[in-house]
Amino acid sequence: GQNIDQPTEMTATEGAIVQINCTYQTSGFNGLFWYQQHAGEAPTFLSYNVLDGLEEKGRFSSFLSRSKGYSYLLLKELQMKDSASYLCAVRDSNYQLIWGAGTKLIIKP
Amino acid sequence: IAGITQAPTSQILAAGRRMTLRCTQDMRHNAMYWYRQDLGLGLRLIHYSNTAGTTGKGEVPDGYSVSRANTDDFPLTLASAVPSQTSVYFCASSEVLDTGELFFGEGSRLTVL
Repeated sequence: GQNIDQPTEMTATEGAIVQINCTYQTSGFNGLFWYQQHAGEAPTFLSYNVLDGLEEKGRFSSFLSRSKGYSYLLLKELQMKDSASYLCAVRDSNYQLIWGAGTKLIIKP
Repeated sequence: IAGITQAPTSQILAAGRRMTLRCTQDMRHNAMYWYRQDLGLGLRLIHYSNTAGTTGKGEVPDGYSVSRANTDDFPLTLASAVPSQTSVYFCASSEVLDTGELFFGEGSRLTVL
């Protein structure tokens, strides 16, 4: 079966750095995506990785290792507004998106 | 503001009733999707549409139907609602099918009693 694993919840301090991990087992791989979802709101696209390595976009970076079936989302200089759920999704060999259950990130002052 | 509009935002429904969730986009995207989101589970695809006039089944299509009469609208119908269909429903769109960059509506929270 296809599976995406993420921690259910994480807590971090304002101004700090946090890394949210995602491991996957899917039928093929055609890219990995990270979305942010604030409580009661729609998911919004954050990043896309298809090749190994780090993609940086402002305070957010996403890393991929295809051989390990592993990705992480790195958030720097945390702000209170970063409190949200972060969803990892993998596009499989049929180009279907397989979604993780999301990681709820709590930022404390 | 361009984007996706869903209606209703929230609805309580008696089991056995018929319900249509509306979805309209103004981005002229070809592909549209309906997902449900349940606590502890990832988003699950119900139905999708590649372009106006075509639809396809996702991971959890049973009990749901869709239509795509034009580019902008993609309603989701529950013919006879059951309590297991209590969920938050998200409509999404993308420029083309199978891109991973989706644009989501704000969601419709449906409770079936």
